[in-house]
Amino acid sequence: GAGVSQSPSNKVTEKGKDVELRCDPISGHTALYWYRQRLGQGLEFLIYFQGNSAPDKSGLPSDRFSAERTGESVSTLTIQRTQQEDSAVYLCASSLDRLVGEAFFGQGTRLTVV
Amino acid sequence: SQKIEQNSEALNIQEGKTATLTCNYTNYSPAYLQWYRQDPGRGPVFLLLIRENEKEKRKERLKVTFDTTLKQSLFHITASQPADSATYLCALTADYKLSFGAGTTVTVRA
Repeated sequence: GAGVSQSPSNKVTEKGKDVELRCDPISGHTALYWYRQRLGQGLEFLIYFQGNSAPDKSGLPSDRFSAERTGESVSTLTIQRTQQEDSAVYLCASSLDRLVGEAFFGQGTRLTVV
Repeated sequence: SQKIEQNSEALNIQEGKTATLTCNYTNYSPAYLQWYRQDPGRGPVFLLLIRENEKEKRKERLKVTFDTTLKQSLFHITASQPADSATYLCALTADYKLSFGAGTTVTVRA
């Protein structure tokens, strides 16, 4: 596609349920990033992929969070046993390569845990 | 620890004036620095990238400076317009991580 696509755009889930968030990066982009943005706050780095490997998982808040990327394309961010504090917008970005700076962002997934 | 600090949370200016935003960083040695714009409910959009060997870069009404000695970048919006109202984020790459400042929200009054 022309840009980074994220789905769903909105997700409301009950506390304790698992959720999966999807990101389709721009074709040919080897670097992929996930961020979390709470209401009125800045972007919190979660994880970075170069190709299919994740050299830096340091931003994942807890072991309830995991992410994978397959075929140097689509990535999924999974949150298990969701908590209310997980409510936020989850943003995905891709760039041509980690050495080429410009990152292209998707519209985000707004997650609400009730 | 590494920090990216933007000068203020909010900046209100009159249309036609120049908005100047500051980004300071500590414990980074970036090869380049980036500025993004974020509108409410949307993802950030890339505006400009400036490399460590560049002192200044311009794009239309935007100007960015980069001082690696001061560890600071200034972002200027000249002849501001109400459509420039948004949150502006600076970003740095260290190792693999593209990290962002908290942003400065600019409101341009007509």
